Amino acid sequence: NAGVTQTPKFQVLKTGQSMTLQCAQDMNHNSMYWYRQDPGMGLRLIYYSASEGTTDKGEVPNGYNVSRLNKREFSLRLESAAPSQTSVYFCASNTLEGLRRRETQYFGPGTRLLVL
Amino acid sequence: DQQVKQNSPSLSVQEGRISILNCDYTNSMFDYFLWYKKYPAEGPTFLISISSIKDKNEDGRFTVFLNKSAKHLSLHIVPSQPGDSAVYFCAARGILTGGGNKLTFGTGTQLKVEL
Repeated sequence: NAGVTQTPKFQVLKTGQSMTLQCAQDMNHNSMYWYRQDPGMGLRLIYYSASEGTTDKGEVPNGYNVSRLNKREFSLRLESAAPSQTSVYFCASNTLEGLRRRETQYFGPGTRLLVL
Repeated sequence: DQQVKQNSPSLSVQEGRISILNCDYTNSMFDYFLWYKKYPAEGPTFLISISSIKDKNEDGRFTVFLNKSAKHLSLHIVPSQPGDSAVYFCAARGILTGGGNKLTFGTGTQLKVEL
């Protein structure tokens, strides 16, 4: 049981290049999320997928696209990278646990992206 | 507009003492509050949560207190241990229009537990 995995761990891009960040979870969670974390700021939601087959914008979706490939996988694509997209990207998935339906989101280890 | 605020970017505490991390929020529609812990080069890990209908939740050394009238919550760690040194994020849950749950995060507090 690996939890939430992300690839790659680190990437350097030139302005204008494209790339896809991959995320997979093996916990049978319905909902998946992409966040970015920048210095002095909390994690901000980019896109999310409440269930397989659906995706929606979060707080900061500009410059990104997503694909919910199946229940396990949720990818984030940068079509034309910009220096402002230099950040650490986290994927998460969630469950509502037990009878009390406590919210818990599980996070991957992150992808560090540098756009030059 | 920062709906969840952690006004202390850092906190230093001696081993064995109590650590108190604070968080304020502005949106009264939040229904669940969570604390996450983050080590460098790792993703955040869930620590403890509290429903908006409760005022206290305890789990071992960790206790979260919620004061709804003040829109304030705090995390108490007793006793603090060196392994607790990490960044702590407060998060509040709201409902996303497309379904799923949105967590709004604070900016984090770096806790350092000194020997």
